[in-house]
Amino acid sequence: QMQLVQSGPEVKKPGTSVKVSCKASGFTFTSSAMQWVRQARGQRLEWIGWIVVGSGNTNYAQKFQERVTITRDMSTSTAYMELSSLRSEDTAVYYCAAAPLYKNAFDIWGQGTMVTVSS
Amino acid sequence: DIQMTQSPSTLSASVGDRVTITCRASQSISSWLAWYQQKPGKAPKLLIYKASSLESGVPSRFSGSGSGTEFTLTISSLQPDDFATYYCQQYNSPSWTFGQGTKVEIK
Repeated sequence: QMQLVQSGPEVKKPGTSVKVSCKASGFTFTSSAMQWVRQARGQRLEWIGWIVVGSGNTNYAQKFQERVTITRDMSTSTAYMELSSLRSEDTAVYYCAAAPLYKNAFDIWGQGTMVTVSS
Repeated sequence: DIQMTQSPSTLSASVGDRVTITCRASQSISSWLAWYQQKPGKAPKLLIYKASSLESGVPSRFSGSGSGTEFTLTISSLQPDDFATYYCQQYNSPSWTFGQGTKVEIK
């Protein structure tokens, strides 16, 4: 079945970086777009950015522009989101989601990765 | 960035009620709007895309409408499984945004 499996929880110190992975299976990864979204406890969903897997084109929310990099490895059908210069406010659950390009709708979601930033 | 404003923030309703949630965009987004349902501790689930297209497998009691700047999600007859938080997301501009969410509670 179509699924996205994310990497496990992370605990990071302020000022460091985190890289979350998202492995796709059951659908054509190269013909999809991936978005990354985060959610702090009790807060709304917050869009981070997206990548068109085939071309590698990316776009990031202005808030994260200087600190985030979204990449993909087509050989392993895996997308990555790296966030640098971490601060306590980055503590959240991070989700990846996939959209087949023909549909342009994010109908496949990962299970979420908890990232905790604490000294 | 385009701002998305959902209303109401919280909605109390009973099983069988007709429920409507509104999402307004700060500028036109054509029909590039999706609706998601989220339950505590779970990932969002796609309900509606392109403003009015029902995702496969989603019950027909869910429907979406609107274009431009005003959109609605309607649940025609609220069921026990529908108590959750609902989010709209615009994906028109290069930078996408979510609404603040609407929590549907049991009355």
